[in-house]
Amino acid sequence: DVKVTQSSRYLVKRTGEKVFLECVQDMDHENMFWYRQDPGLGLRLIYFSYDVKMKEKGDIPEGYSVSREKKERFSLILESASTNQTSMYLCASSPTGTGLYEQYFGPGTRLTVT
Amino acid sequence: GQSLEQPSEVTAVEGAIVQINCTYQTSGFYGLSWYQQHDGGAPTFLSYNGLDGLEETGRFSSFLSRSDSYGYLLLQELQMKDSASYFCADYSGAGSYQLTFGKGTKLSVIP
Repeated sequence: DVKVTQSSRYLVKRTGEKVFLECVQDMDHENMFWYRQDPGLGLRLIYFSYDVKMKEKGDIPEGYSVSREKKERFSLILESASTNQTSMYLCASSPTGTGLYEQYFGPGTRLTVT
Repeated sequence: GQSLEQPSEVTAVEGAIVQINCTYQTSGFYGLSWYQQHDGGAPTFLSYNGLDGLEETGRFSSFLSRSDSYGYLLLQELQMKDSASYFCADYSGAGSYQLTFGKGTKLSVIP
């Protein structure tokens, strides 16, 4: 089974802190994604990566950055956390080719910024 | 731009059939995926339609009509455990690595 793990299920940070969310997948997938999920808004793509050291902006990249130094690991960075970044953050991965429309999600990190 | 519309909530009776619709307005449309998410859980992939017609996987089926920019997820023999949110997601392919998700339909199955 594909396994996508995220470093924390729950996280509480203060405004202005730098926050790191880590995601690891064990299926050698080329593509990795970071989404945020808010009530009534569905899943919105923040950043994605289709290869090591490659990254592309999604629909809402402002206030975020990412890092992919190894194929299995994709990190989301909140440079200076703000209260409007309180959300559920979901990481996903998929193989290239026909698996692009089938993404495997981690359990999510619920981040609260106070 | 890309947008997908689906009902926000649907209620159905255990044992019945329910259909969740999804309309899209997308340039470069390639196919439609469906995901299920239980409260507190991660989204899980259910099905994908790259071609017009019906795809069946057990109690779940998904349909796509490109000419109508429309698809649906059909759940048969509803069980209480089917209570969850269901998302349609557009895959625009052609060099894009993105799925664009609808806002989700919360399905409540009642006895």
